[in-house]
Parts: sequence; C-alpha cells; structure tokens
Amino acid sequence: QITLKESGPTLVRPTQTLTLTCTFSGFSLSTTGVGVGWIRQPPGKALEWLALIYWDDDELYTTSLKNRLTVTKDTSKNQVVLTMTNMDPVDTATYYCAHTLGGTSRHAFDIWGQGTMVTVSS
Amino acid sequence: DIQMTQSPSSLSASVGDRVTITCRASQRIATYLNWYQQKPGKAPDLLIYTASSLQRGVPSRFSGSGSGTDFTLTISGLQPEDFATYFCQQTYSTPITFGQGTRLEIK
Repeated sequence: QITLKESGPTLVRPTQTLTLTCTFSGFSLSTTGVGVGWIRQPPGKALEWLALIYWDDDELYTTSLKNRLTVTKDTSKNQVVLTMTNMDPVDTATYYCAHTLGGTSRHAFDIWGQGTMVTVSS
Repeated sequence: DIQMTQSPSSLSASVGDRVTITCRASQRIATYLNWYQQKPGKAPDLLIYTASSLQRGVPSRFSGSGSGTDFTLTISGLQPEDFATYFCQQTYSTPITFGQGTRLEIK
C-alpha cells in the first residue's frame, strides 16, 4: 500500500524559504520509472503543478517558479524535499506531494498525500 | 505552456443523471489527458488516465474519451458521492497543467 505524507511549517513569513518534506512508504524512489511530484492549491482555486523528481534524478519544474524551486530526494529515508525561496502571501496554499502512476500515463499522479496548508503572512 | 480550459465551470444535476464535462487543450496533446475528482478538504483522486483508461478501483460509470485537443469525462448514472469538483490535467509536456475545475452540484 502506497502512502505519502507532507510535513513542514504551517506559517511562513514573507521572503522566507519554505521547506516541505514528503515522507512515503510502499514504494522506492530507486525503482525504475517511479517519480514524486509536488502540486499546490490556493484556497478555493485550481491545482498548480510545481515540481517532479524521478528515480533517475531527473528534475522537472514549472516554468513560472523554476528559479525559486528545488526538489531533492533521499532514497534511504524514503523522502522527497521541496524548497521554495522568497515566499510571498500569494504562495498561501495547500501543498500536496503525489506518486506518479508510471507506464504510458507519463506524469499522472495516482496516489496523493493528505496535503499541508501553508500560510504566508507577516 | 499548454492551457487547459474546462467547461462548464459549474454544473447542477440530479442523482441518476448522465453528465459530461469537457476539457480543451490549447494545442494537441495526443491522449496525455487525465481526470481527477476532488471533494472538499481532500486530496484529488485519479479517475481516468491517458484520456480513457479507468484507474483501478474507480466505478465503471466514469468514462473518458478524446484525443488531440478535445476531451470529455462522462458520468453515467450520478451517485450522491459523485458531487465534487473535477479537474483535467495534461501530461503531454512540461509544465504539467490543470484545468480550472468543474464543480458538480446537486440540483
């Protein structure tokens, strides 16, 4: 059974750096084809994909936030870490990590974490 | 970036109805189109991947079709638990993009 869970601060000050950790079980990020992505959702708004890291260390980022995002993995700890610099109130959202389905689906996300709400405010 | 446009933005229907939600891509994406269902306060659930493949465990009343730029999600015989928000997602190219969502409400 695959599970993922996000953890990190609930409140971040403007200009600070956000660090979120996705801790997962039921799969290994050293297995061919496996990836973990990050998606966020501001309150009442649509989903926005942020980043994705694959088993082979391939990193993908959304264009608009590419210079603020870093995604890393620790295979031994079964964790993926997302770092977002220079946080702004518009970054207030629920942040999700998710497992990629793999195969022909390319980057579809089949299992999601419960999400963690991050508020950016002074 | 590929823009995904869903219609309608909201929809009212009754239990037992057949409903269709449309998603249009700003450029051709073959069949790299996925559908998700999201209930309030919960993470999205994958329903359909690669336009028409039913995710494991999803009821057969959900179906998807389309290729290129135009896609549909159909729910045949709405059940009370189907009232939620639905999102499409393209994975043809990065950045991965989602539609704005369609809120399905009880009439």
